[in-house]
Amino acid sequence: EAGVAQSPRYKIIEKRQSVAFWCNPISGHATLYWYQQILGQGPKLLIQFQNNGVVDDSQLPKDRFSAERLKGVDSTLKIQPAKLEDSAVYLCASSFNLYSYEQYFGPGTRLTVT
Amino acid sequence: ILNVEQSPQSLHVQEGDSTNFTCSFPSSNFYALHWYRWETAKSPEALFVMTLNGDEKKKGRISATLNTKEGYSYLYIKGSQPEDSATYLCAFSGSARQLTFGSGTQLTVLP
Repeated sequence: EAGVAQSPRYKIIEKRQSVAFWCNPISGHATLYWYQQILGQGPKLLIQFQNNGVVDDSQLPKDRFSAERLKGVDSTLKIQPAKLEDSAVYLCASSFNLYSYEQYFGPGTRLTVT
Repeated sequence: ILNVEQSPQSLHVQEGDSTNFTCSFPSSNFYALHWYRWETAKSPEALFVMTLNGDEKKKGRISATLNTKEGYSYLYIKGSQPEDSATYLCAFSGSARQLTFGSGTQLTVLP
């Protein structure tokens, strides 16, 4: 069974530029999560999707971050414009449904904003 | 705001040493406690999910215990090997099933 795929794996941009990350969850998984992990901290949930609908985006900085999962499968997270404090690893995870114990993580995208 | 704390923040041990880490979490609205291992440049890998007070789980040389009444979990590694070097994350899950992570324990096993 293929795992959660993410791309790119690494990205370096200058502040005020835009960037987008892509995630393809495990086939058949209805729930998809985006996390932000800043160095020295644990991953923090940014947004949770169930199929193509948003379940929780309360911690997403909506002035600069956006995310979509239009067809209920893969998802894109965008930052526009980026700030220095957005430097982090962005992890995508999926689970079978909202009630599943397990979340399966991708390898993450390491973003550096200079 | 949920507070999940892990200690120590980092740990260096010699190959063959046994070690343990602590995760503390809210004792109310508890649903599950997760342990993940995260090696550099790889995906976080689920080690254990524990749901019942007194749960004990074991996978090879790694084991974990859970006390939901007092809000803590221990992860033990027996006879550490260099390949155990990683960041170990615990995560609390409440009724909404969302994960709140601790900041992790970074383990380095020296050969």
